[in-house]
Amino acid sequence: EAGVTQFPSHSVIEKGQTVTLRCDPISGHDNLYWYRRVMGKEIKFLLHFVKESKQDESGMPNNRFLAERTGGTYSTLKVQPAELEDSGVYFCASSQAGRSAGHGYTFGSGTRLTVV
Amino acid sequence: GNSVTQMEGPVTLSEEAFLTINCTYTATGYPSLFWYVQYPGEGLQLLLKATKADDKGSNKGFEATYRKETTSFHLEKGSVQVSDSAVYFCALRDYKLSFGAGTTVTVRA
Repeated sequence: EAGVTQFPSHSVIEKGQTVTLRCDPISGHDNLYWYRRVMGKEIKFLLHFVKESKQDESGMPNNRFLAERTGGTYSTLKVQPAELEDSGVYFCASSQAGRSAGHGYTFGSGTRLTVV
Repeated sequence: GNSVTQMEGPVTLSEEAFLTINCTYTATGYPSLFWYVQYPGEGLQLLLKATKADDKGSNKGFEATYRKETTSFHLEKGSVQVSDSAVYFCALRDYKLSFGAGTTVTVRA
């Protein structure tokens, strides 16, 4: 089966611009997660979708970040306006319904975002 | 809250050397523990896991034992190969995954 696909793989934007990251989960996976790794530090949870509903968005850093998952398929994460501290690697993961965190997760390769 | 602390890198080794990456955690209750690996250009992959105290997870020659008394889950491999060069992340699960900062390992031929 196809894995979790993220694009772009790299993005370099100027401070104040808008960037949209996309994640295509494995087909049929209801759970979709966003994580990010900033400045080589730990990977931190951002949010969790179950189908098209936000189950937990406690990790979203501020209101410049907007995540959507229309139709319960792919998800987008928009950063508007981007700031320097948003630079990092953004990971997406998906899992089947009923799978608890960490079991049955499949991660994407990540999007490396650089804000200059 | 939950947190994971792992040995800082980078770590550089020669082939066939012994590898240890220390990982300790802080959590309420008894979380499941994981090691994830990210090879160059690839996504995060689950390397091994342990779900209760004294469990030993193993995969691809790597091992880690869930030590409740020391709140640790150190990763070990007896003889590394160049193909083991990657970034290794220790993680725990309560509801969601909490990761350590990652340790970059480079194995030289």
